[in-house]
Amino acid sequence: ELKVEQNPLFLSMQEGKNYTIYCNYSTTSDRLYWYRQDPGKSLESLFVLLSNGAVKQEGRLMASLDTKARLSTLHITAAVHDLSATYFCAVDNAAGNKLTFGGGTRVLVKP
Amino acid sequence: KAGVTQTPRYLIKTRGQQVTLSCSPISGHRSVSWYQQTPGQGLQFLFEYFSETQRNKGNFPGRFSGRQFSNSRSEMNVSTLELGDSALYLCASAGGFTEAFFGQGTRLTVV
Repeated sequence: ELKVEQNPLFLSMQEGKNYTIYCNYSTTSDRLYWYRQDPGKSLESLFVLLSNGAVKQEGRLMASLDTKARLSTLHITAAVHDLSATYFCAVDNAAGNKLTFGGGTRVLVKP
Repeated sequence: KAGVTQTPRYLIKTRGQQVTLSCSPISGHRSVSWYQQTPGQGLQFLFEYFSETQRNKGNFPGRFSGRQFSNSRSEMNVSTLELGDSALYLCASAGGFTEAFFGQGTRLTVV
């Protein structure tokens, strides 16, 4: 059974500093996703990582994938208040649209 | 391009009743998956439909069922509602090897 673990579960950030969220998964995966969720809202897709060594960046967020270590990281550079949200990683290893999610990392950026 | 549409957005039901939720995927997408999100269990996969056939199924009781129509719209049904079924229900649409896009969700409250 595929398991996805994120850490930390909660991250209190100071504006301007850098932080990393980690996502480990237990079996070979076809794709790894990062999503953002604001309170009471749906999931917003941030990144899709398809292959070993993949790195994607959008603004202050950068995601990378190491398939050998079964590890993905989401790096936040110079955190700002607007990045406060819950971040989920998810893995898709079935022949279809079936995601297994990590437990989420709640991020709170304080001024 | 229209996104994934879920209806209704909010629903209040009484224990023992049944409920039907609807999801219209992005035009051209043939895969629809359903997820349940609760504070205690996080995001859990319910089932996936592709071309009117259930392709993947999660570990939920038989009270949870779904179907997909020829136009790819999907419905999920929960019978004999329990308090623990209160959750945000999300559907995700995907086409071929594209990433999954989520709808806004249906917030179900069982009283």
